[in-house]
Amino acid sequence: AQTVTQSQPEMSVQEAETVTLSCTYDTSESDYYLFWYKQPPSRQMILVIRQEAYKQQNATENRFSVNFQKAAKSFSLKISDSQLGDAAMYFCAYRSAFPSSNYKLTFGKGTLLTVNP
Amino acid sequence: EAGVTQFPSHSVIEKGQTVTLRCDPISGHDNLYWYRRVMGKEIKFLLHFVKESKQDESGMPNNRFLAERTGGTYSTLKVQPAELEDSGVYFCASSQRGGPRTDTQYFGPGTRLTVL
Repeated sequence: AQTVTQSQPEMSVQEAETVTLSCTYDTSESDYYLFWYKQPPSRQMILVIRQEAYKQQNATENRFSVNFQKAAKSFSLKISDSQLGDAAMYFCAYRSAFPSSNYKLTFGKGTLLTVNP
Repeated sequence: EAGVTQFPSHSVIEKGQTVTLRCDPISGHDNLYWYRRVMGKEIKFLLHFVKESKQDESGMPNNRFLAERTGGTYSTLKVQPAELEDSGVYFCASSQRGGPRTDTQYFGPGTRLTVL
């Protein structure tokens, strides 16, 4: 079974600075997807960024980028130029690419990010 | 386009009572997932529907939980009778039918269930 570990229960960052959230995972599969989801205090969880395991290039979405290290099974999220609106709980998630998995997500425990003005 | 909606947003019940949670997926999404987050723990998968059919119930904790998806549209998750350990946030997510490359799950705001 796959597992996802987020070792930082809480992180804080000053506005306009950069922060990196850590995520490691364990799997024996070769084809899979990794995600970062954000859940602001209003509770709607939204997708921040997604990485396909077969792609070596790290995914980027505006101020959000990932450092995907497949051999190390590491998938960290970097937030540049942090904004107050980035304050949220961030969840790292794994999804198999195999149909037999029904594409269900396996989540880490989350990292609560605080942005200080 | 309306997102995934869930009702109620918060439910407080006594142990032994019954509660029904509802999820309305994004229109046209065949896949519907239920997840649960118990305080301080990971978000855990409960079950998966494709249209009205249950594809995977492997995450359902026990037979006190019953999920249905009438006509392949909205879904309900009933807990009967509720126990203290059922407290948590129940999330619903939906996605279009397709392969792994296109499957992106969109989440609802969750229902916070408190069993006293």
